[in-house]
Amino acid sequence: EAQVTQNPRYLITVTGKKLTVTCSQNMNHEYMSWYRQDPGLGLRQIYYSMNVEVTDKGDVPEGYKVSRKEKRNFPLILESPSPNQTSLYFCASSLHSGGLEAFFGQGTRLTVV
Amino acid sequence: QQPVQSPQAVILREGEDAVINCSSSKALYSVHWYRQKHGEAPVFLMILLKGGEQKGHEKISASFNEKKQQSSLYLTASQLSYSGTYFCGTEWSGGGADGLTFGKGTHLIIQP
Repeated sequence: EAQVTQNPRYLITVTGKKLTVTCSQNMNHEYMSWYRQDPGLGLRQIYYSMNVEVTDKGDVPEGYKVSRKEKRNFPLILESPSPNQTSLYFCASSLHSGGLEAFFGQGTRLTVV
Repeated sequence: QQPVQSPQAVILREGEDAVINCSSSKALYSVHWYRQKHGEAPVFLMILLKGGEQKGHEKISASFNEKKQQSSLYLTASQLSYSGTYFCGTEWSGGGADGLTFGKGTHLIIQP
């Protein structure tokens, strides 16, 4: 089954404790991206990647890092989480950028206390 | 820059029609429409590419006015299952690999 898998689905952590949210797709997609969703603000792009070893900042990259060492994986790293990073996070992938359907993971609800 | 969606929310009776609008200040390459149920992932509905193409899918259709950089999503004879938040996502013509920029969403509530 074609899918984008995120882990964990739910995470509660403390301020400053490094964490990684994993994202994996099995569709051989080149393009992957991370979004955060906050009430009233919609989905805002954090980082995106056009292919292996090619990543770039989205609209709200501060406090986040990503890597793309393999085509299927695109982890989101929070080196020192803060409470304002409490949000619902979605990973998405598409075959390539430009006019193609984006497939979303099931989301990760992160709470930083 | 996020596209602007309107209305922010709409409440309908089952069987009524709804129109959701999405506008951008940038020249667009494509407009995507997604529906999201509470706490779930957005689900793809359709893509419209520049060229003013209208698409349809069951009782849900959409149009894209390239001159105005606007898209509208039409839901006819709404069903209870249509409830959720609708997002438009836009890709602008000069954006390269920027990907999708989403609007803030339109909450649609269908009542029996």
